[in-house]
Amino acid sequence: DAGITQSPRHKVTETGTPVTLRCHQTENHRYMYWYRQDPGHGLRLIHYSYGVKDTDKGEVSDGYSVSRSKTEDFLLTLESATSSQTSVYFCAISEGQYQPQHFGDGTRLSIL
Amino acid sequence: DQQVKQNSPSLSVQEGRISILNCDYTNSMFDYFLWYKKYPAEGPTFLISISSIKDKNEDGRFTVFLNKSAKHLSLHIVPSQPGDSAVYFCAASAGDYKLSFGAGTTVTVRA
Repeated sequence: DAGITQSPRHKVTETGTPVTLRCHQTENHRYMYWYRQDPGHGLRLIHYSYGVKDTDKGEVSDGYSVSRSKTEDFLLTLESATSSQTSVYFCAISEGQYQPQHFGDGTRLSIL
Repeated sequence: DQQVKQNSPSLSVQEGRISILNCDYTNSMFDYFLWYKKYPAEGPTFLISISSIKDKNEDGRFTVFLNKSAKHLSLHIVPSQPGDSAVYFCAASAGDYKLSFGAGTTVTVRA
């Protein structure tokens, strides 16, 4: 299994609070991704990173920000959480173009 | 607008028989296609991929077929086993490192 650790695995918080999810990899892969999974939508890309301090927006980036200060860590922040951001969040890593992405086990986030 | 579509939300198959999962896409720039398997409370696991220069790729019990003219791909699992019961996602990339996923098909293998 790819060395990907997501933390926390579960979190319940209130609307309006800030939330940060962490993804840590031990594979030294250049590319890292954040997805959310919702019923009927599969996985949708939020943000991705193609190197330290290099990030770009995905399909559903509104309300989210990311940071990558080290190769191994990719943080996803919800500055002011809303109930529509209740979801399961997955981190993924890949070596490059035309290489499969490998996923962590997810963070289940509930915003009340 | 979803660019990758899995029109069958569920599939039930008897153990030992073939499972066929289908996926359609609309973006003609997609040139790399993947299938993932997902168990509850776990992340998706990569199964098999195919590039647009090929029309078939096999890996053990899993075979992926690509029909570029129809913008269609399928995953065949032969023979189906109880451990194959999971959600299967089709995904595609236009060579830009990003993946677009279908909504998934839940496969149930009956004993």
